[in-house]
Amino acid sequence: GENVEQHPSTLSVQEGDSAVIKCTYSDSASNYFPWYKQELGKRPQLIIDIRSNVGEKKDQRIAVTLNKTAKHFSLHITETQPEDSAVYFCAGGRNSGNTPLVFGKGTRLSVIA
Amino acid sequence: NAGVTQTPKFRVLKTGQSMTLLCAQDMNHEYMYWYRQDPGMGLRLIHYSVGEGTTAKGEVPDGYNVSRLKKQNFLLGLESAAPSQTSVYFCASSLTGGVNQPQHFGDGTRLSIL
Repeated sequence: GENVEQHPSTLSVQEGDSAVIKCTYSDSASNYFPWYKQELGKRPQLIIDIRSNVGEKKDQRIAVTLNKTAKHFSLHITETQPEDSAVYFCAGGRNSGNTPLVFGKGTRLSVIA
Repeated sequence: NAGVTQTPKFRVLKTGQSMTLLCAQDMNHEYMYWYRQDPGMGLRLIHYSVGEGTTAKGEVPDGYNVSRLKKQNFLLGLESAAPSQTSVYFCASSLTGGVNQPQHFGDGTRLSIL
């Protein structure tokens, strides 16, 4: 089955700097890769996702890149702000069948003002 | 439109007690999921359902049972609670097509087993 690994587990950046979180996956048939943000004490919420027919997707200060050959994808946050502080989860999975998404273990991002 | 609602929000149990966590969604979603979240372990799938009347095991199903008698509800049961089941439990749902649809999460249930 799918295995998703996420690095780093913790990340501290200065406000205004960029943050990058990386994930690798094992199942070459996986074709859907969402990212979730979980603020302290809150529910995980989808912030961006990418499908295997594109290599990059942007939404304001957030971007996700996908390298299917290397089986890795990354979340990029530019011009970080204190409200970006949260735990971020990547996930991966297939479009076919009923196999659920597999989540990474999460990255705790701290943006220091 | 409330989305995904979990009850209760908090609960303390003694070892050996049983309880049921309720998840309800009003988005007409086919797929529903139960996860547990422990520090440093991310979200681990306990059980899931791909439609009314169906259930399937996830990554960590031992010690839990589930039922999906109605499309909008997904129940998670602990028959004999153990301290290792102390965790935050999240329910989620997705429309159709499994992994290609975003999952919508509830607010979580914080469960402590003494």
